[in-house]
Formats: sequence, C-alpha cells, structure tokens
Amino acid sequence: DTGVSQNPRHKITKRGQNVTFRCDPISEHNRLYWYRQTLGQGPEFLTYFQNEAQLEKSRLLSDRFSAERPKGSFSTLEIQRTEQGDSAMYLCASSLPETGYEQYFGPGTRLTVT
Amino acid sequence: DQQVKQNSPSLSVQEGRISILNCDYTNSMFDYFLWYKKYPAEGPTFLISISSIKDKNEDGRFTVFLNKSAKHLSLHIVPSQPGDSAVYFCAASFSGGYQKVTFGTGTKLQVIP
Repeated sequence: DTGVSQNPRHKITKRGQNVTFRCDPISEHNRLYWYRQTLGQGPEFLTYFQNEAQLEKSRLLSDRFSAERPKGSFSTLEIQRTEQGDSAMYLCASSLPETGYEQYFGPGTRLTVT
Repeated sequence: DQQVKQNSPSLSVQEGRISILNCDYTNSMFDYFLWYKKYPAEGPTFLISISSIKDKNEDGRFTVFLNKSAKHLSLHIVPSQPGDSAVYFCAASFSGGYQKVTFGTGTKLQVIP
C-alpha cells in the first residue's frame, strides 16, 4: 500500500497527558499537511511542511502543539498537556508541489481525551 | 469565519437519479475548487476539481459547475449509485503559494437503492 498511513488509528488518553501521532506520506510527495476534524465540521488546517521545513502554522495550533518532519519524510504531531477540547480526528495529507491542492489523506488518528 | 459553506448537511436521492450538492464561498481570491469524498473510518479522497478559468469540469458521472459571479459551485452525480453514499466536502484553494485548502462542513449523501 503506497498511500498515506497514520499511527495510531485511535488514542485514548487522560487529560494532562502528552500524546504523539505519526504520519508517513506518499514517498514522492514533499508536501505534508496536518488537519484537525471535529464532529460536523470539515478538516481544519493546522500546519504544513515542504520537505523538512515547517512553513505555515494555523492559529489553531497552540503552544501545546508541535509538529516535526525530520529529514523530510515522516512527520509527528505532539500534543502536550492534553485537554478535553483536543478530542478530534487528526488527519495527515501529502501532495506534490505542483498540485498542492490535490491532497492525499491518511485515515486519521482519532484522539479521545477523558 | 466560514469561507466555504455547505448549507445542506444531508441529502437523500434515489438510485439512478441526479444528486446535486451545493457550495458557496466568500473569498473572491480563491481560484481553485475541489470536491472530496469521505467514507466512514477513512480520510477524505480527492474527487474532482475546477479552476476559476473554467465554468464546468466533467469526469465520468461527476460534473462540477462554477459560477464565479455568484461565488457558487455545485457537484452533479449522474446517475447516482448506492456506492456514492458518503460525506462530500467542498474545498477551495489558491493556485499560487502553498495552496492551502479550506474545507466546507460537508454534505452527507445517501443514495437509496
């Protein structure tokens, strides 16, 4: 399977704990995006990488959130001191630079903060 | 500020009939528009797109229409099939820059056999 993969698929954590999600993009895609989706909403942009450089962060990405993409391959999204409001589906997508709007999404990681 | 709006949260259509999903946008700087389809437990899948220099783009059973003066686009599915039952997201972007995509809230389509 050469699509975008995300791990874990589900994560249940207690408020105040730290969590980390991983995304493996399609190998030839140098652009990688993170989105958050809550019930009844469309995906909301969080951050974007071109290769290893993080070029844009949404104001939705508070100081508790950090994303990395070492060596321009896989990416991780870490949430520190989780809050109940962080419960959502976290989606990763990748694309080619020429067609950045045609993004290929992974299945997402569903986070539940209790 | 919801720049891309899908005012119908759900739509039911009989198999074989036409499904029409509507979308409005507010940012006149958007110049590229897309539709994504999402099945449960999967990420959104790119379906079809249209550039602002066109008013229609067709791909098999799927056609997207763009009315720039009204800031409105629609997705037509003809004929509708039960496998088309999914949530459809309208999205808009800019052809320049890093092409950030702004999504609507989605319309859940149910095609009844």
